[in-house]
Amino acid sequence: KAGVTQTPRYLIKTRGQQVTLSCSPISGHRSVSWYQQTPGQGLQFLFEYFSETQRNKGNFPGRFSGRQFSNSRSEMNVSTLELGDSALYLCASSLLGDSNEKLFFGSGTQLSVL
Amino acid sequence: AQSVTQLGSHVSVSEGALVLLRCNYSSSVPPYLFWYVQYPNQGLQLLLKYTTGATLVKGINGFEAEFKKSETSFHLTKPSAHMSDAAEYFCAVSDRTGGFKTIFGAGTRLFVKA
Repeated sequence: KAGVTQTPRYLIKTRGQQVTLSCSPISGHRSVSWYQQTPGQGLQFLFEYFSETQRNKGNFPGRFSGRQFSNSRSEMNVSTLELGDSALYLCASSLLGDSNEKLFFGSGTQLSVL
Repeated sequence: AQSVTQLGSHVSVSEGALVLLRCNYSSSVPPYLFWYVQYPNQGLQLLLKYTTGATLVKGINGFEAEFKKSETSFHLTKPSAHMSDAAEYFCAVSDRTGGFKTIFGAGTRLFVKA
């Protein structure tokens, strides 16, 4: 069974641009969560999707948005990029998104904003 | 609101020595607790989790953790460190009543000296 796939692996953008990151969950998993990882901050929760609906959202500005498609694939978008958006963005999937479920993580997309 | 505090951003041990990584949580409801490990250039993978039942939880690679409600702690231990244990470790908590969100600590990087 294929794992969680995130594309692209690396991205370099300049301030003010926008970016779209993609995540394909494990087959059969319907919940997708997104996290921002920066050194010293750990993982900060961005949002969670299940059956194309956002069920929870972290404390990030509206420039960060996401969506989920009917095949459970998910994208996140960051508009008007700022230097502080440079981070590793991780996607995680689980079967139903229940609180006691194990999260399966992708290898992440490393975003650098210049 | 839930939160996780990991004491020590870096821990260094000698090969064969005891590994102790500290985690304290804050939660207004009984939590689910997790430890994840991240090897260089990889996503996170689950080491162990506490959901219910026995408070001493055994995980992969010889790691274990004990849930202590009175101390709001979930420290991770391993009797004898191996070079291959060098990685970053994250403690995480989720809300037993729902919420569809797992909160992670800032992480502890473990160094193992030969």
